[in-house]
Amino acid sequence: GENVEQHPSTLSVQEGDSAVIKCTYSDSASNYFPWYKQELGKRPQLIIDIRSNVGEKKDQRIAVTLNKTAKHFSLHITETQPEDSAVYFCAALTDDGSSNTGKLIFGQGTTLQVKP
Amino acid sequence: DVKVTQSSRYLVKRTGEKVFLECVQDMDHENMFWYRQDPGLGLRLIYFSYDVKMKEKGDIPEGYSVSREKKERFSLILESASTNQTSMYLCASSPGQETQYFGPGTRLLVL
Repeated sequence: GENVEQHPSTLSVQEGDSAVIKCTYSDSASNYFPWYKQELGKRPQLIIDIRSNVGEKKDQRIAVTLNKTAKHFSLHITETQPEDSAVYFCAALTDDGSSNTGKLIFGQGTTLQVKP
Repeated sequence: DVKVTQSSRYLVKRTGEKVFLECVQDMDHENMFWYRQDPGLGLRLIYFSYDVKMKEKGDIPEGYSVSREKKERFSLILESASTNQTSMYLCASSPGQETQYFGPGTRLLVL
């Protein structure tokens, strides 16, 4: 089946440093790639997404890059703050053609710790 | 604001019991999803539905069934709970193929 690999599984940075999380996907037809942030004890929430017709998207301190040829995409957080500490999930939209809606295939998650 | 609610935050059940997890969304979304979340495995799709009375198997449907009698409500059923179904269960809804909105989750413990 389709697969999304996410690395690293844990990441610890000092406040103010940058953090990068990388994902690779297997379905070359995937065209939508969201990133979710899940704070401790809370629900996952969408923080940024990118579609296959663009290579980069930025929203304040977070950015996502996409390389369709290599089938990988990355989340970049600059000037990290303690409130960025959370679990981050990448996902890729895949469509097996048998239903009217696509499925999101999630990566395994990255636990980011930002040390003050 | 999209609101997705789940019937319980914590649930303790015994092996062999039938378990019902309810999810309700108030935004008239077509699509609804059930995932389980386990450490190191991310979110894995159990079942999803793109319309009332419609259901599709996800990646790990074994041991589960679902029901969608009304557009706003999507139920996950564990026919005979087993210890390996101890997990966090997350419901989500979406208006189309893309952005999904998650509920708060139900942490289920099967003894």
